[in-house]
Amino acid sequence: DGGITQSPKYLFRKEGQNVTLSCEQNLNHDAMYWYRQDPGQGLRLIYYSQIVNDFQKGDIAEGYSVSREKKESFPLTVTSAQKNPTAFYLCASRCSGSFSGELFFGEGSRLTVL
Amino acid sequence: AQTVTQSQPEMSVQEAETVTLSCTYDTSESDYYLFWYKQPPSRQMILVIRQEAYKQQNATENRFSVNFQKAAKSFSLKISDSQLGDAAMYFCAYRSGDSWGKLQFGAGTQVVVTP
Repeated sequence: DGGITQSPKYLFRKEGQNVTLSCEQNLNHDAMYWYRQDPGQGLRLIYYSQIVNDFQKGDIAEGYSVSREKKESFPLTVTSAQKNPTAFYLCASRCSGSFSGELFFGEGSRLTVL
Repeated sequence: AQTVTQSQPEMSVQEAETVTLSCTYDTSESDYYLFWYKQPPSRQMILVIRQEAYKQQNATENRFSVNFQKAAKSFSLKISDSQLGDAAMYFCAYRSGDSWGKLQFGAGTQVVVTP
């Protein structure tokens, strides 16, 4: 089945450690996105990538990094510089041919900093 | 920057009844798209309905319909004949016509369905 796979679903990290969240899609979508979700705040855009080897900062990119070496993959690294990394992270993709631009989402990853 | 406001943190509805969720947005653009997403307890976001700003006709998807008031910048979602499976967090989202899929989300409305 086509879709977006995020792993791991749950991740615990000690303060000062970097951690990488995986996002893989087999939908052949060009654009991919990372959102952060906190209680009562909806979703906020961290980074997005329209094509391979290109990505742009979203609204809350500080303390995060990404890469886009393959069309199918868009991993997110939460660095030790991120002051409050405990959150739910959602990866999404968009078909370039989609006129209205709706996003398809993965099931998310819950990161907890101990 | 565009903002999306959902003023109802929680709405309760009985099975088979109708509930309406409100959403307002702030924009100076004329070309944009609006969406309602559902997030059930599984946390995966599911697209419920979309509306193109240039279309005057309100979008409908089975039991879900919207009331799009462009001049008032309002985009409410009506869930008819509510079912237990409709219980979820619902997010309103805005996308500018040229923003490459970057969605701006509201804070969400929790829908509780009671038997």
